[in-house]
Amino acid sequence: KAGVTQTPRYLIKTRGQQVTLSCSPISGHRSVSWYQQTPGQGLQFLFEYFSETQRNKGNFPGRFSGRQFSNSRSEMNVSTLELGDSALYLCASSKDKQTQYFGPGTRLLVL
Amino acid sequence: AQTVTQSQPEMSVQEAETVTLSCTYDTSESDYYLFWYKQPPSRQMILVIRQEAYKQQNATENRFSVNFQKAAKSFSLKISDSQLGDAAMYFCAYSVEYGNKLVFGAGTILRVKS
Repeated sequence: KAGVTQTPRYLIKTRGQQVTLSCSPISGHRSVSWYQQTPGQGLQFLFEYFSETQRNKGNFPGRFSGRQFSNSRSEMNVSTLELGDSALYLCASSKDKQTQYFGPGTRLLVL
Repeated sequence: AQTVTQSQPEMSVQEAETVTLSCTYDTSESDYYLFWYKQPPSRQMILVIRQEAYKQQNATENRFSVNFQKAAKSFSLKISDSQLGDAAMYFCAYSVEYGNKLVFGAGTILRVKS
């Protein structure tokens, strides 16, 4: 069974630009969650989507948004990028409500 | 708000020895789940073990076992017969029954010496 996939794996952007990250969950998983990992703040929850609806949201500014498609694939968008948005963005999917399986992450560098 | 605390930023263990990583958490919920995830240098987060709060029996997965003390809100991970491949950052995490949000601790770097 294929695992969670994330594209792209690496991304370099400049301040003020916007970026879209993609996540394809494990087949049969309907929940997709996004996390930001930085050396300073650690792992922080961004949001979770289930059946195309945002079910949970973390404490991030409105520049961070997401969506989920009918095939459970999810995208995350960050607008007006700031230097502090440089991070590893992890996507996780789950079939039941509790066990999440993570993708390899997208490393975003904002210059 | 729920919080997860890992008080050991770094631990070292000799190959084939046993090591215990500590984790405490704070919650007012009665039903929840606890996890240990491993993140090796490749950065892929891997689930090590999971514990349901309503289960009194401690979870085990091969060389990995937990000591779950619900009253003390403690959830430690014991790794037996440590192997070089166990070297990684270990994260303790918590989630509530009704949602999927994981709250992570700061992590513990585990170094395995040969």
